[in-house]
Amino acid sequence: QVQLVQSGAELKKPGASVKVSCKPSGYTFIHYDVNWVRQAPGQGLEWMGWINPNTGKTRYGQKFQGRVTFTSNTSATTVYMELSSLKDEDTAVYYCARDMVRGVSSAFDVWGQGTLITVSP
Amino acid sequence: DIQMTQSPSSLSASVGDRVTITCQASEDISKYLNWYQQKPGKAPKLLIHAASNLESGVPPKFIGSGSGTHFTFTITSLQPEDIATYYCQQYDHYPRSFGQGTKLEIK
Repeated sequence: QVQLVQSGAELKKPGASVKVSCKPSGYTFIHYDVNWVRQAPGQGLEWMGWINPNTGKTRYGQKFQGRVTFTSNTSATTVYMELSSLKDEDTAVYYCARDMVRGVSSAFDVWGQGTLITVSP
Repeated sequence: DIQMTQSPSSLSASVGDRVTITCQASEDISKYLNWYQQKPGKAPKLLIHAASNLESGVPPKFIGSGSGTHFTFTITSLQPEDIATYYCQQYDHYPRSFGQGTKLEIK
């Protein structure tokens, strides 16, 4: 079945970096962009950016520019999100999501299970 | 950046009620709007894309409409399994942006 499987929860100290993996299965890896969305505790959804797993092309939200890096490993069919210089306010569940494009539609139709990143001294 | 404003932020309704949520965009986004459902502790689920298109496998009790800056999302007959937070999301411009969410509860 079509799914995205993410790596497990992490506890990090302020100033550290974290790298989250997202492994698609059940579809052709290189055919869909993967977006990253985060959700702070009790808060709404915040878009971070996307990566084309085939070309490695990325687009980052301005809020995260300079601090986030998306990469793709086509042989491992896995994409990664690395966030550096972590702050307390980066504590959140991080989701990867497949971007389906059908005609005029572009939406996140398959989501990973989420990865909780906790930033605490 | 385009701001998406949902109303209400929370809503309490009875089983069988018709429930409507609105989403207002700060600029014209044509029909480039999606709706998601998120249950506690779960990832969001796509319900409606391009303002009014029902995602495959989603029951037709969920209806989306609107264009430009004003959109609505309706559940025709509320059931206990519909208890969740609902989000709109625009994809006309970067950064992609979500509404703040509408938390739906059973009265």
